This record gives sequence, C-alpha cells and structure tokens, in this order.
Amino acid sequence: ETGVTQSPTHLIKTRGQQVTLRCSSQSGHNTVSWYQQALGQGPQFIFQYYREEENGRGNFPPRFSGLQFPNYSSELNVNALELDDSALYLCASSHTRGLAGGVYNEQFFGPGTRLTVL
Amino acid sequence: AQSVTQLGSHVSVSEGALVLLRCNYSSSVPPYLFWYVQYPNQGLQLLLKYTTGATLVKGINGFEAEFKKSETSFHLTKPSAHMSDAAEYFCAVSQNTGFQKLVFGTGTRLLVSP
Repeated sequence: ETGVTQSPTHLIKTRGQQVTLRCSSQSGHNTVSWYQQALGQGPQFIFQYYREEENGRGNFPPRFSGLQFPNYSSELNVNALELDDSALYLCASSHTRGLAGGVYNEQFFGPGTRLTVL
Repeated sequence: AQSVTQLGSHVSVSEGALVLLRCNYSSSVPPYLFWYVQYPNQGLQLLLKYTTGATLVKGINGFEAEFKKSETSFHLTKPSAHMSDAAEYFCAVSQNTGFQKLVFGTGTRLLVSP
C-alpha cells in the first residue's frame, strides 16, 4: 500500500509568483487536507477536500485555492506569493466514512513540500 | 472553536529520565485528541490518539497519554527517555462530528542529553 506522497520536495519562488503543490492520497482514501507549517510553529489547517469539493476552510485568503481530482489526488495553488508564505506545506489523506458523530477518520500525513519565497 | 496550548517550547531531559510534555485543550464539543512527532525535515507521525473509551492511551515507542476531561488536559509521558526521542512533539485536537480538521499546538522540542 502506497502512502501519501507530495511533490515537489522543495521549491523556491519569488514574491508575486504562483505555485502549485501536489499530493497523492493513500489508496482507498477520499479526503485530502492541507496544512501550512511556518518555521517554529505548529501546522495550520488551510482547507479540506472531500469527493472533489471543498469541505472546510481555515483562516487563509482566497489566493490559496485547491482542487481534488476523481482519483482523490489534490493540488494546492497559491497566487501572488508573499514572503510569509514560506513554510512546509503538509498534505494529509483520510477516508471519510461518514459525517455523523463518533466516526473517527484518521489522517495520514505526507512528507511535505518546503516552499521558500524570496 | 477549538484550541491547544502546549506548555514549554523546549523540554530538556537526561537519557533514562521521565519525559512529560504538557497539553491543555479547549473544545466546545467532545474532542478527539492526538500527539504527533516530527523529526527534522520530515512530516508528522502519529504517536497516539484518544477517540473514545479508555482515557489512558498507549502509543508507539513507549509513549502514553491520559485524557482528563475535568482538567482539559492530555499530557504525554514516557518513563525513560532515549536519545532517539529527541524531536518536535505536537498536541492536536479535532471535533468528533462532521469533517475533522486538526488544530495543533505550537509544539514542544524535546532535547535528550546523554
């Protein structure tokens, strides 16, 4: 069983550019969540995709957008890059069995993409 | 809204000593609680989780944590530290209904000296 993979591993961009990060979810998983981890901080939730639709969003501006594809892989797009966007971007996949209470859907994390904005 | 507070950005112990990493949470709904470990330049690895049932949960590498609802705490312990335990540890909370986003604390770096 293949785990969660992310590409690229590292990326350097300049302010104002756009970037696309990619995530392949674990086999059998239908949900992908994206997190931003700034240096020295805990990960912060960006958004989650379930069955190709955004299923929840954290406190991030609209220039952070995403997609989920029919095979449940996902992309994170960031437009108009700012210096503060420099961070480790983590993708986590899970299998959502239902939205009712008491159903735990474990998230499995990929190794991350480290984005540096100069 | 949910939040997590981790007391102490750095904790130093000697090899063989008790490890105690503190985590307090805030949640308006019954929470799921987690501890993750992150080694340098790597992603997050789940150490242990509390979802339902027994409040003392055991995880990998000899770690355990106890969910104390009255104290809103979920402290992580290990009886005897190893050098390989040196890493960053994150406590996280999620709600147990609907879509489950993880809310993380700011992390505690565990330093282990010989």
